[in-house]
Amino acid sequence: EAQVTQNPRYLITVTGKKLTVTCSQNMNHEYMSWYRQDPGLGLRQIYYSMNVEVTDKGDVPEGYKVSRKEKRNFPLILESPSPNQTSLYFCASSLLEAALYNEQFFGPGTRLTVL
Amino acid sequence: AQTVTQSQPEMSVQEAETVTLSCTYDTSESNYYLFWYKQPPSRQMILVIRQEAYKQQNATENRFSVNFQKAAKSFSLKISDSQLGDTAMYFCAANFGNEKLTFGTGTRLTIIP
Repeated sequence: EAQVTQNPRYLITVTGKKLTVTCSQNMNHEYMSWYRQDPGLGLRQIYYSMNVEVTDKGDVPEGYKVSRKEKRNFPLILESPSPNQTSLYFCASSLLEAALYNEQFFGPGTRLTVL
Repeated sequence: AQTVTQSQPEMSVQEAETVTLSCTYDTSESNYYLFWYKQPPSRQMILVIRQEAYKQQNATENRFSVNFQKAAKSFSLKISDSQLGDTAMYFCAANFGNEKLTFGTGTRLTIIP
């Protein structure tokens, strides 16, 4: 089954404790992206990657890091989480050649709470 | 700046009625794609319908259709014969050619039995 998976689905942590949210897709997509969803703000892009070893900042990259060492994986790293990073996080992927119109496939979301 | 605006935070409608969700956007690009995503209580993001800016014909997917007014930069979603399963948050989004989706703030739609 074609899908984007994220782990964990739920996470409660404390300020300053490093964490990683994993994202993996099995569709051989070049393009992967991370979004955060906050009430009243919709979804905002954090980082994106157009292929292995190619990453770039989105609209709200502060406090986050990403890496793309393999095509299928795109982990999101919070080196020192803060309460303002409490949010719902989505990973998404799509084919790059058709990135303009192609559907982005979303993972199931990760609910992160930072105390 | 390229923006997507949804001015209706919440809407409700009786089952079987028709409802229209509004979306406006701003861009100087000539070609772009517009999307409506549905997010049910499960939080999964589901593509409902998409429209290419170069196509004048409005997209239709079963009970879902759009009213695309390029000059007015408007992209509304019409849901006909609404069903209880249509209850969800709906996001308007656009790809303006810069490798990302720009989302509106969402409209929470409730279908009343």
